[in-house]
Amino acid sequence: NAGVTQTPKFRVLKTGQSMTLLCAQDMNHEYMYWYRQDPGMGLRLIHYSVGEGTTAKGEVPDGYNVSRLKKQNFLLGLESAAPSQTSVYFCASSPPGTSGRAMFFGPGTRLTVL
Amino acid sequence: GQQLNQSPQSMFIQEGEDVSMNCTSSSIFNTWLWYKQEPGEGPVLLIALYKAGELTSNGRLTAQFGITRKDSFLNISASIPSDVGIYFCAGHLYGNKLVFGAGTILRVKS
Repeated sequence: NAGVTQTPKFRVLKTGQSMTLLCAQDMNHEYMYWYRQDPGMGLRLIHYSVGEGTTAKGEVPDGYNVSRLKKQNFLLGLESAAPSQTSVYFCASSPPGTSGRAMFFGPGTRLTVL
Repeated sequence: GQQLNQSPQSMFIQEGEDVSMNCTSSSIFNTWLWYKQEPGEGPVLLIALYKAGELTSNGRLTAQFGITRKDSFLNISASIPSDVGIYFCAGHLYGNKLVFGAGTILRVKS
C-alpha cells in the first residue's frame, strides 16, 4: 500500500517548455487535489477532482490543466512553463465527506523554471 | 478568498520547552486541522477539531477549536528534536476544500 505517489520528484524546465506531473493513489479515494507550496504562503489549491472524468478549478488554476481519466490517477500539466510556476507541487487524495481529516498527501515534486 | 493568519512564522527553541502556535481567520470554519510537514515530505495530519470549544490531545500535542470558530491553537509540550518541521493549520467550511495557513517553522536546539 503505497498511499499517494508523485512522479517526478524533481524537475528543471526552461521557460516555455511543457511537462506533466503524475499523481497516483492506491486507496480508492474519490477526491484528488493538486496544491502548490510557496515560501510564506502555505498550500494553495490549483485544481481538484471529485471523481473519475471530472475536474474543477481551485484557487490558483491559471497556467495549469488537469485530467482524471482513471480514478487512481490525477495529472497536472503545464503547457508553457513560466518562472512564476517555480514551486513545490503536492498531490493529495481523500474520501468524500471527510472534511479534510482523511486527506493524504504525496511527497511532492520540486519544479524549477528557468 | 479566505485567509488564515498563522503565527509565529518561525520558532527556535530549546529541547524540553513548550511550544505554542495559533491561527486566526476573519471567516468561521466548521473544522480546524493541524498538519506537520517534515523536509522532503508532504503534510501529515496531527489533529482534527470539529466543534467550537473542543480541546483535543494527541500525545504531547494539544489543540483547541476557538469558541468564535475563527481561531485555533496548537501546543507541543516538552519539545524533542524530532518535533522539527513546518506546522500548518487548515480550516474547512464546506465541500472538501481546505484553506491553509502559511505555516510555522519549528527548530529545536538539543
